[in-house]
Amino acid sequence: KQEVTQIPAALSVPEGENLVLNCSFTDSAIYNLQWFRQDPGKGLTSLLLIQSSQREQTSGRLNASLDKSSGRSTLYIAASQPGDSATYLCAVKRDSSYKLIFGSGTRLLVRP
Amino acid sequence: DAGVTQSPTHLIKTRGQHVTLRCSPISGHKSVSWYQQVLGQGPQFIFQYYEKEERGRGNFPDRFSARQFPNYSSELNVNALLLGDSALYLCASSLTRTAGKAPYTFGSGTRLTVV
Repeated sequence: KQEVTQIPAALSVPEGENLVLNCSFTDSAIYNLQWFRQDPGKGLTSLLLIQSSQREQTSGRLNASLDKSSGRSTLYIAASQPGDSATYLCAVKRDSSYKLIFGSGTRLLVRP
Repeated sequence: DAGVTQSPTHLIKTRGQHVTLRCSPISGHKSVSWYQQVLGQGPQFIFQYYEKEERGRGNFPDRFSARQFPNYSSELNVNALLLGDSALYLCASSLTRTAGKAPYTFGSGTRLTVV
């Protein structure tokens, strides 16, 4: 059974700091991994999608990496801003599966 | 283009009542999935509908049901509401059943509070 874990559960950093969010999964047979952002009480906004054959994806100040063999993904946020404050969720999709399996998220606070 | 739209945005119901939540997928998307997100946790898969048929079901009781209409919009129904059903209900759409290499797109959710 696939389990997805995100550590830490919460993180507080000063503005301008570079930071890394972690996501680990127990079954390496994934099809892809998706990082989402969720603002309080809101839906999910897709940030980055990494296919199983890829090592990383970049969008602006965000960079996501994937190491299938070790069951790990990281989301790197450069030069953090208060507007980056949100909960960040990772989700994996297994081969030929239709559903996403989510971690519990990391709640990020960027202090001005 | 309109994204995934969900209605209502907020809802308060009493224990034992019935509720219907609605979702309209992105135009052209044929698959709709429903997720439940309890406060402080990640979303949990409830159902997937593709081409108007149920294609997958998560570990939820029979009080939860859903359907998909010819225009690919979907309804999630929950009977005999319990306090534990209080959650954010999210709808996601994709072009195909498994989404292939494309990302899932989520709506803004319906916040259900059961009192």
